[in-house]
Amino acid sequence: QLQLQESGPGLVKPSETLSLTCTVSGGSISSSSYYWGWIRQPPGKGLEWIGSIYYSGSTYYNPSLKSRVTISVDTSKNQFSLKLSSVTAADTAVYYCASLAVAGTWDYWGQGTLVTVSS
Amino acid sequence: QSALTQPASVSGSPGQSITISCTGTSSDVGSYNLVSWYQQHPGKAPKLMIYEGSKRPSGVSNRFSGSKSGNTASLTISGLQAEDEADYYCCSYAGRVFGGGTKLTVL
Repeated sequence: QLQLQESGPGLVKPSETLSLTCTVSGGSISSSSYYWGWIRQPPGKGLEWIGSIYYSGSTYYNPSLKSRVTISVDTSKNQFSLKLSSVTAADTAVYYCASLAVAGTWDYWGQGTLVTVSS
Repeated sequence: QSALTQPASVSGSPGQSITISCTGTSSDVGSYNLVSWYQQHPGKAPKLMIYEGSKRPSGVSNRFSGSKSGNTASLTISGLQAEDEADYYCCSYAGRVFGGGTKLTVL
């Protein structure tokens, strides 16, 4: 069974870059059965897809965030990462990493990490 | 791609059945039977309850069922229990679009 764990700073200053890493265990990030992705949830609000990546490096981003998002994968470490630039208070949220099955199903999730944007 | 439309809240008494709708367009919900549903308790990560429209992952109670008609998908919970009280989200378009979420209250 896959397990995912987010890591990274919990506090980021406005205009700086948010950086998070997701470590996958219990399976290979190079599996052809999965994409890997990031989803966020502002306090008290709903879920928002940020982007997804395949182990080959192919990426798909939410059009509303595309200009600020970079998702990358490190197969040697079984990790994938998120960078979100020029953050504002509106980017304050719990950030989840998750596995995306071919049928578009988010089947395994990390526990989530709260990132607060504040000076 | 716009968010899918869900009712903000639904409620029911223990033992009753409730249905949560999820309305999209012919480009997402209406295109393929690939809608998934997630349950989220406060402070917890979402949990997959239904995938590919009507399939249940191992370990999910058969009180949860999914269906679709046209551009609207539905999640039905029968025999409501107190532990079903949570937020529920639908998702479509290859995992790229979520509904706004529905808060289920068990009276």
